[in-house]
Amino acid sequence: QQQVKQSPQSLIVQKGGISIINCAYENTAFDYFPWYQQFPGKGPALLIAIRPDVSEKKEGRFTISFNKSAKQFSLHIMDSQPGDSATYFCAASTRDYKLSFGAGTTVTVRA
Amino acid sequence: ETGVTQTPRHLVMGMTNKKSLKCEQHLGHNAMYWYKQSAKKPLELMFVYNFKEQTENNSVPSRFSPECPNSSHLFLHLHTLQPEDSALYLCASSQEGGGGALEQFFGPGTRLTVL
Repeated sequence: QQQVKQSPQSLIVQKGGISIINCAYENTAFDYFPWYQQFPGKGPALLIAIRPDVSEKKEGRFTISFNKSAKQFSLHIMDSQPGDSATYFCAASTRDYKLSFGAGTTVTVRA
Repeated sequence: ETGVTQTPRHLVMGMTNKKSLKCEQHLGHNAMYWYKQSAKKPLELMFVYNFKEQTENNSVPSRFSPECPNSSHLFLHLHTLQPEDSALYLCASSQEGGGGALEQFFGPGTRLTVL
């Protein structure tokens, strides 16, 4: 059973546009929600993470929005650049450190 | 580089072969993980080692056998695999402590093809 559902599977955005990726979860025991970025030929790397005690976290052009009541969280990439073209994974974990990942979103930024 | 290395980067094997994947972390972490990554699917956690002790086996078939001789090295021994086992196998490490999950650092993976 997939614990974290991610959408869309892929998206194309123009340079300078906004990319939005959504994730939903069911397990209310999740208390850590990271986003990982993966380039071809590389392993995933932590991009940004949030805990459920805040509704938003921003790091540069990347923002996580978190809606605890709806059990949803999303990644916004502002002013998207060609270098942002990658696959993005949302994830969630409880305090046992085991991450449950979404299926991934392939983002393509067109120049 | 993330501080987690994996060898080999690519491996092609027949169903009757025996091979091993190696992972080494240079970060001083105390936990190591094996994941399976298949196209269009979530990363699947296979095994977790904490201070060299296996703490998780996610119902992985016995044809996959992990080994963790010390906190810096992790192996995945493979034997009599099936074509559906073809995937990218990722190793990760983290420093576990109180207060919840911490960042996992991933290696580049081994692309495995089973013929």
